[in-house]
Amino acid sequence: DTQMTQSPSSLSASVGDRVIITCRASQSIDTYVNWYQLRPGRAPKLLIYAASTLQSGVPSRFSGTGSGTDFTLTISSLQPEDFATYCCQQSYSSPPTFGQGTKVDIK
Amino acid sequence: EVQLVESGGGLAQPGRSLRLSCAASGFNFDDYAMHWVRQAPGKGLEWVSTISRNGGNIGYADSVEGRFTVSRDNAKNSLYMQMNSLRPEDTAFYYCAKDLGDGDSPYDSWGQGTLVTVSS
Repeated sequence: DTQMTQSPSSLSASVGDRVIITCRASQSIDTYVNWYQLRPGRAPKLLIYAASTLQSGVPSRFSGTGSGTDFTLTISSLQPEDFATYCCQQSYSSPPTFGQGTKVDIK
Repeated sequence: EVQLVESGGGLAQPGRSLRLSCAASGFNFDDYAMHWVRQAPGKGLEWVSTISRNGGNIGYADSVEGRFTVSRDNAKNSLYMQMNSLRPEDTAFYYCAKDLGDGDSPYDSWGQGTLVTVSS
């Protein structure tokens, strides 16, 4: 199975901060990476797919880059509603696997 | 608007069974593959199963293979997961999720989840 390792596992940030979350795959996965936002009591939300494509309706402050084994999710200016857990997923090979998540909380 | 609503979770003893359901609305259900994903307390997301749009292609995580059975009824816009021989490690929130396509795509809509607790 392809392992997805996220870093950091958690971070504290303030509204307006730029936040960068990284995800490393245990083998090359081209650009088959998706990013999800998880908030307690809410349905998980797809933010980015194919490493850099913004899902419809997702604010443009979210962006994704990377290919091969190294990927990043960037939030350019953190908003109050962005305090959540972010999770990467690879869809290159079966089984699809997720990173362990990065919790973004308020500094 | 796409809506996915899971039901059927609850408390079960080890070795017993539960059946989860996911009611879909707001899209042509039979045009998309569907998935089950779970999240155990304090853990990350774990893919559980995928079923293609016509039910002809099915996959399971090794951790549930042989114990869980996914199915769908396109006439009822519903997805199901029959969970047998439950184990304490199956305790998790279970989410149904819609594929962007027919199985290898991102999951573009999710339900809010249903909690399964396996304990004696």
